[in-house]
Amino acid sequence: QKEVEQNSGPLSVPEGAIASLNCTYSDRGSQSFFWYRQYSGKSPELIMSIYSNGDKEDGRFTAQLNKASQYVSLLIRDSQPSDSATYLCAGYSSASKIIFGSGTRLSIRP
Amino acid sequence: DTEVTQTPKHLVMGMTNKKSLKCEQHMGHRAMYWYKQKAKKPPELMFVYSYEKLSINESVPSRFSPECPNSSLLNLHLHALQPEDSALYLCASSQDYPIPDTQYFGPGTRLTVL
Repeated sequence: QKEVEQNSGPLSVPEGAIASLNCTYSDRGSQSFFWYRQYSGKSPELIMSIYSNGDKEDGRFTAQLNKASQYVSLLIRDSQPSDSATYLCAGYSSASKIIFGSGTRLSIRP
Repeated sequence: DTEVTQTPKHLVMGMTNKKSLKCEQHMGHRAMYWYKQKAKKPPELMFVYSYEKLSINESVPSRFSPECPNSSLLNLHLHALQPEDSALYLCASSQDYPIPDTQYFGPGTRLTVL
């Protein structure tokens, strides 16, 4: 079992709609979680970090963490074509390393 | 400012060459990282430096040799690489280690080994 799992996609969402990206993790000792956006050929760019159960909002982005269910999600409201990218979910494991999921490819269609 | 810089942006080298990748941050971070990323795969951790000392080596072959001259600089020395080492090499930094804090990535060096 992978430590951080994501659906690889592609996830296709119409422009203006809400994109919902999901991630599960197996290490109950994981404390912190991160969402990175990566455009093709570029480096990962931090979108959100979340440390506590519940929701965290930043502009059009909302991260949700449920430690009991070992589940992390990212909602993108009012999706724009520029949101088309691969989204990497990552968790800080009990082994003191960031473990990345395999990424979800998101495509926003006009 | 959350900027990590890396040079060069692109590097092509033969299997007998010796080259170095450089990474710099001026955020006062005490932890720096090297990752390797192959196409359509997530980044893979290679090395972690904390307070200029090597904390983690993820069983990386000795043809990759990291160096941390000071708290702002991180180098990766390359020697006798193989074509399968071609990848995007990413440097990252964070406030401290092993505190579970955000890592900020540089733009990467695209390495091609012929």
